[in-house]
Parts: sequence; C-alpha cells; structure tokens
Amino acid sequence: QKEVEQDPGPLSVPEGAIVSLNCTYSNSAFQYFMWYRQYSRKGPELLMYTYSSGNKEDGRFTAQVDKSSKYISLFIRDSQPSDSATYLCAMSFLGGYNKLIFGAGTRLAVHP
Amino acid sequence: EPEVTQTPSHQVTQMGQEVILRCVPISNHLYFYWYRQILGQKVEFLVSFYNNEISEKSEIFDDQFSVERPDGSNFTLKIRSTKLEDSAMYFCASRTTSSYNEQFFGPGTRLTVL
Repeated sequence: QKEVEQDPGPLSVPEGAIVSLNCTYSNSAFQYFMWYRQYSRKGPELLMYTYSSGNKEDGRFTAQVDKSSKYISLFIRDSQPSDSATYLCAMSFLGGYNKLIFGAGTRLAVHP
Repeated sequence: EPEVTQTPSHQVTQMGQEVILRCVPISNHLYFYWYRQILGQKVEFLVSFYNNEISEKSEIFDDQFSVERPDGSNFTLKIRSTKLEDSAMYFCASRTTSSYNEQFFGPGTRLTVL
C-alpha cells in the first residue's frame, strides 16, 4: 500500500464550479498536511497547511483533515481558469527534520 | 516577498560528468532540502540539511550525491558522475525552525543527462 494516494485525474470543470481534491494516507503518524499547486515545469507553490483535524479556510480555498479516516481534502470555490494546475498533497511526521511525502498530484483544468 | 532561487534553470550534461546545482534559500530559514521529480512522477525527497550537516537522506541519495552550504547564502547539490536516470527536475526547499513544516520550494533546475 502506498503511503500517500492521490487520484491523478485529469479533472475538468467549468469556471465557477466547486472543486474537491482528495488524498488518503496509510501512516497514522503523519501530523502535518500541506497542499501545493504546481504549474507545468515549475516548482510547487505552498497553498495551505494544516496540523489538526478539521477545516482551515483561506480565501477560495478550504483544507480539510480527517485523521480518523486518514483522509485530507482541498476545496476550491468559484474556480477560475488560472486555477488550472496540478495539485499536490504532501504530509510529514511530527518532529525530526520533516521530509515531505507527496501524493502523485491531481491535474485540474478549469475551462471558461 | 522572499523566495527560494535556483540556478541554472536547465542543465544539460553528458553521462559521467559532474554537475552542481545551486540554490539560495530564504534568508532566515535554517532547514534546507533537495527533492527531485522525474517527468510524470511524484516529487521525491532526497536529503535534508540543518546546522551544516545532513540530517536525513533517502535511498536515492547515494555516494554519487553530496550537499554543501559553502557560504551563508548558497546551498548546493553535487552529482559526481551523472547517469541517464538522474534526468529530472531538482527542487530546493527551505523552512524556518518555527513553522509547521511549511517548506517553500524554488522553481527547480531541469537536469538532462545525455
């Protein structure tokens, strides 16, 4: 079983739609959870980070963590064509030097 | 807004040659990382570096790889004898000591080994 599973998509939605992106993980020791956005051939850009179970909102983005189900989500409201990118979930353990373990990334296309 | 920078953006080299990839982390950050991403695959951890020494390395980071912080601003990844399978995007990342492990990534160096 892979440590972090993420559906690679592609996911195609119309402008204005609500997008739901998800990851599951197998190791209950993961404590930090991040979402990155990556445009083609560019570096990952940190969007959201969370530590505890529950929701965290930032503008059009909401990150949700359910540690009991080992499931994290990123919701994008009022999606825009500029949101078209690959979204990577990443997670790490508490303490230590905190290497990130990434999901495969979900490719999102928002069409006008 | 401060950002991680990397040079060069693209490096082409012949198999067996040495390459050095350079990174300038964000100035008040103290933890540094290298990751790589082979085309179409996941971002993979290579090595973490803190207090002038390697703190953790992956199985990928064998004797052909080394890292160095030669001065107060640069952080380098050296591949001694490149192989075809080293072709990938290499990302440098950094973070502060006080963050919830928010790592900030550079734009990457695309390494092509011929």
